Amino acid sequence: AQKITQTQPGMFVQEKEAVTLDCTYDTSDQSYGLFWYKQPSSGEMIFLIYQGSYDEQNATEGRYSLNFQKARKSANLVISASQLGDSAMYFCAMREGPLGNTPLVFGKGTRLSVIA
Amino acid sequence: KAGVTQTPRYLIKTRGQQVTLSCSPISGHRSVSWYQQTPGQGLQFLFEYFSETQRNKGNFPGRFSGRQFSNSRSEMNVSTLELGDSALYLCASSPTGQINQPQHFGDGTRLSIL
Repeated sequence: AQKITQTQPGMFVQEKEAVTLDCTYDTSDQSYGLFWYKQPSSGEMIFLIYQGSYDEQNATEGRYSLNFQKARKSANLVISASQLGDSAMYFCAMREGPLGNTPLVFGKGTRLSVIA
Repeated sequence: KAGVTQTPRYLIKTRGQQVTLSCSPISGHRSVSWYQQTPGQGLQFLFEYFSETQRNKGNFPGRFSGRQFSNSRSEMNVSTLELGDSALYLCASSPTGQINQPQHFGDGTRLSIL
């Protein structure tokens, strides 16, 4: 079974608008970490934001925020005030267990295109 | 602070050859992980090293191997290359590999098999 599901293969957003990228996850662990990464066409993976399973507040990093709904097992990324440079692939990922000896598992990604 | 450095950036090999990819983690990071990225399979975990020991291994054949040196630098080796090994190979590092530590990625090595 897929551990990370990103249901939107591609999305378009107007510059300066906000956009939400969906991510649902599947785990039976109580302790886990959720991550979002950005991959421009050049290939490098850029870390954006982290949410721990025990964190009560939604994570925020500048224009990025994570809408964490634990009961629904969703961890959607919200990008506010989109910029042309936000056009890229976005990956949701999870790491399970408190000890950190499990691999980072990625979803298939969402390709975001920002339109001027 | 220098980021994760992967060399070479591009490689072209033929079937049956072997290849070694190199990864220098961020200074002070002791956990190094390797991933394979292909259009069909997406990002797949290969292995993780911590303090010169393989801590985790993904579901790849034995042709894929790796090691980590005392300075935390890591190498990945693929023997008897197959066409399906064409991929972007990404290396990532973190201080100790705990789950609340983001992994920081290098630019990757793009391997093409002819």
